[in-house]
Amino acid sequence: SQTIHQWPATLVQPVGSPLSLECTVEGTSNPNLYWYRQAAGRGLQLLFYSVGIGQISSEVPQNLSASRPQDRQFILSSKKLLLSDSGFYLCAWTGFKYNEQFFGPGTRLTVL
Amino acid sequence: DQQVKQNSPSLSVQEGRISILNCDYTNSMFDYFLWYKKYPAEGPTFLISISSIKDKNEDGRFTVFLNKSAKHLSLHIVPSQPGDSAVYFCAAISPGNTPLVFGKGTRLSVIA
Repeated sequence: SQTIHQWPATLVQPVGSPLSLECTVEGTSNPNLYWYRQAAGRGLQLLFYSVGIGQISSEVPQNLSASRPQDRQFILSSKKLLLSDSGFYLCAWTGFKYNEQFFGPGTRLTVL
Repeated sequence: DQQVKQNSPSLSVQEGRISILNCDYTNSMFDYFLWYKKYPAEGPTFLISISSIKDKNEDGRFTVFLNKSAKHLSLHIVPSQPGDSAVYFCAAISPGNTPLVFGKGTRLSVIA
C-alpha cells in the first residue's frame, strides 16, 4: 500500500531563517506530487506541483521554492522565512488515477 | 478567479439531523468532483467522489449530488454525528495531468 511521509510535524523558526520541509511517498512510482499551504482560517492553497524528477510548476509567486531530486521525494524550501509563511503545509500525491489525491499528515510551521 | 466556491464558511447542525454542504464551480471542463474531510492539524482525507457522468453517489451516511446544468454539487450527511465535525473541502479536476482545484472549505459543527 502507498504511504506518504512528511517531516518535521511541527517547526518553529525565526524570521529570516531558512526552511526545508521534506515529503516522501512509498509504494508507488512516478507520482504527481503537490505542496499546499493552509493558512489560519483559510482554504488549501496550491503552492507547487511536480509531474516528474526536476519538473516543478509554481502556482503562486512567493519566497518559497520546491525541488524534486528523486522520483518519490519532494522538498519545500525557503532561503529567508517571512512571518506570512506561517501555516500548515501539506504534501499530496496522485498516481495513475489522476482523480485520486492523497495527503500527508502535514507540517505546522510557525514563524516568529 | 475562484473556479470552485464553497460560499458557506461554517455550518452548525444538531446531532441526528441532516448536514448539507454546498459547492459551486465555474469550469465546465471539470469531469470529477471530490469531497475531503479535514480535522485540525491533520491532512485532509478523501471522503467521497462523483464523476460528471453521474448525478448521485452514495456511501453509507454520505451522499454527493451533482447538478451539471447548475454547476452545483452538494454533500449530504445523514444522520450527522459529533465525529463529523471538521472542515469539508470540495475539489474538482479536469482531464489530463492537472492539479485538483479546491474550494476554501466549510467548517461543520455537529452539536450533541
